[in-house]
Amino acid sequence: GESVGLHLPTLSVQEGDNSINCAYSNSASDYFIWYKQESGKGPQFIIDIRSNMDKRQGQRVTVLLNKTVKHLSLQIAATQPGDSAVYFCAETTSYDKVIFGPGTSLSVIP
Amino acid sequence: DGGITQSPKYLFRKEGQNVTLSCEQNLNHDAMYWYRQDPGQGLRLIYYSQIVNDFQKGDIAEGYSVSREKKESFPLTVTSAQKNPTAFYLCASSTGQGSGELFFGEGSRLTVL
Repeated sequence: GESVGLHLPTLSVQEGDNSINCAYSNSASDYFIWYKQESGKGPQFIIDIRSNMDKRQGQRVTVLLNKTVKHLSLQIAATQPGDSAVYFCAETTSYDKVIFGPGTSLSVIP
Repeated sequence: DGGITQSPKYLFRKEGQNVTLSCEQNLNHDAMYWYRQDPGQGLRLIYYSQIVNDFQKGDIAEGYSVSREKKESFPLTVTSAQKNPTAFYLCASSTGQGSGELFFGEGSRLTVL
């Protein structure tokens, strides 16, 4: 389930195909990016999408951008326990300025 | 190996003391960044620099200072004016071409006693 408040929203999911969502507010952002952060480490780049695109596929991941409702999603195929981490969406609000969203904690149950 | 090196990994300081966190990169990247992360929270931008001898404030710059005298180095000073300095500090770099793909260091955890 998902919880909000002072802690990161949490998704507990079964192995398989899963999706993480993010809402953004700045219509002028040029790039939208997904990062993965494991406990005690710095975030790692997963995939990005330019604002003039709707979909981009990577290795086992797909990012979808819906500019009409200002919504970004990350689809992960064949999610495994090793994918458990905190996932952040980010956007470039002006050239080179990268702002992160609040993050979602993903827990994949075997 | 190319990458971002932050030091120290853990740091303890008394209230009222200034602290400088080191960040070095050998990726030949133009842009460098400092973010702050509190437990269970997202990353908040403190300062960023697109080029040597130039930097811009992020969303929470008060109580912090930076310098960018060399391309590979972007140290962050947490001053005594920062009211709640205990946090995890992350440094990052990018090519500076606006794509938002950042390369992060392992972070520095600062605890003020």
